[in-house]
Order: sequence, then C-alpha cells, then structure tokens
Amino acid sequence: NAGVTQTPKFQVLKTGQSMTLQCAQDMNHNSMYWYRQDPGMGLRLIYYSASEGTTDKGEVPNGYNVSRLNKREFSLRLESAAPSQTSVYFCASSEAAGGQFFGPGTRLTVL
Amino acid sequence: GQQVMQIPQYQHVQEGEDFTTYCNSSTTLSNIQWYKQRPGGHPVFLIQLVKSGEVKKQKRLTFQFGEAKKNSSLHITATQTTDVGTYFCAGPGSGNTGKLIFGQGTTLQVKP
Repeated sequence: NAGVTQTPKFQVLKTGQSMTLQCAQDMNHNSMYWYRQDPGMGLRLIYYSASEGTTDKGEVPNGYNVSRLNKREFSLRLESAAPSQTSVYFCASSEAAGGQFFGPGTRLTVL
Repeated sequence: GQQVMQIPQYQHVQEGEDFTTYCNSSTTLSNIQWYKQRPGGHPVFLIQLVKSGEVKKQKRLTFQFGEAKKNSSLHITATQTTDVGTYFCAGPGSGNTGKLIFGQGTTLQVKP
C-alpha cells in the first residue's frame, strides 16, 4: 500500500499561472483534506471532503478550488497563483474522526 | 472561533533529558490527536485520546488527556536524537466531518 501520494513534489510558478496538485489514497478512506503549512503557522485546512461527492471550505480557502474526483482522488487547483501561496501543501485522508494520514507534500514557490 | 494552543513553541534539550509539550483548547474536545513531523517530512499520526483523564504510553512517550477534556500533554522520557521534530496536537473541528484544528506545534531539538 502506498498510503497517500501527492504530485508534484516540487513546483515553481510565476504569479498568475495556474496549476493542479494531485492527491490519491489507497486506504479506502471517506474523508480527504488539503492543508498548507507555513513557518510558525502550523497546519491550516484549505478544503476538505467528508465523502465522495462533497467538498467544503476550511480555514483558508481563498484562491483555491478542489475536486473530489472519486473516492481515491482529491485535487487542489490554484487558478491564478500569488506569492502569498508559496507554501508546503499536504494532502491527508482519514476514516471519519480517526487519525489522519498525510502525503509527502508539495513544496510550491510562486515568484 | 475554536483554538488549540501549544506551549512551548521551541524546546532544546540535552540527550537523555525529559521533554513535555502542552496543548490547550478553548472548548471541550471529544478527542485529541497527536502527530510528529520530522524536519523536511510530513506529519505522522501518533495517537488519539478519547476518555477524560486518559493516559496512554508508547515506549518513552506518555500522552495524557485532561479531566475536563480541554487540555493534553505529551511527555518524552530520556530523549534521544531520533525524537527531533515538531509535535502537533489537534482537536476536532465543528461538525462530525473528521476535520481537525491543529496547534502550532512544539519543535524539539536534542543535543547529543
């Protein structure tokens, strides 16, 4: 089992460019999450999906969109990247209110 | 809104010394989870505590959930260099959706 996988691992964008971060899990979890992590800020929830077909905003959703493509996959899209979106992005999954399992992260720099 | 606070933010210890990080919530929690993140890595789930006053041990790590279910602690006995990293506590967000509110974390450095 691969657990939670994320692509790409690293990405550099110019301001205004768009990109999609991909996430997939093979643990048959219903819930999936996208976080961003900035120095001194801990983990902040961007969007989550409690089950296939549903998505909802987290703490910091502005500038992002998500798609729960199926039970396995949950993607995060930046339509027009800004320098403030430079961060490390983590995808996670869980079964209901249990522990969350994180992917390796995507390190994004927006110039 | 709901907040989860952790102290201290940083801790430097000599190898072999003990270490404790504390987590406090502004609201009563149904459960609390603890995660460890090694430098350059991703958060890894350690444990979930559910019951008031619960104490759980994992080798040299002792986790405690307060009687009022508003605070928790993680204690490491005789730290080793492999304990280096950031320890996060997290409590459930609103609604039964599985989402979590993370504390800002305590970063542990261990001097050999």
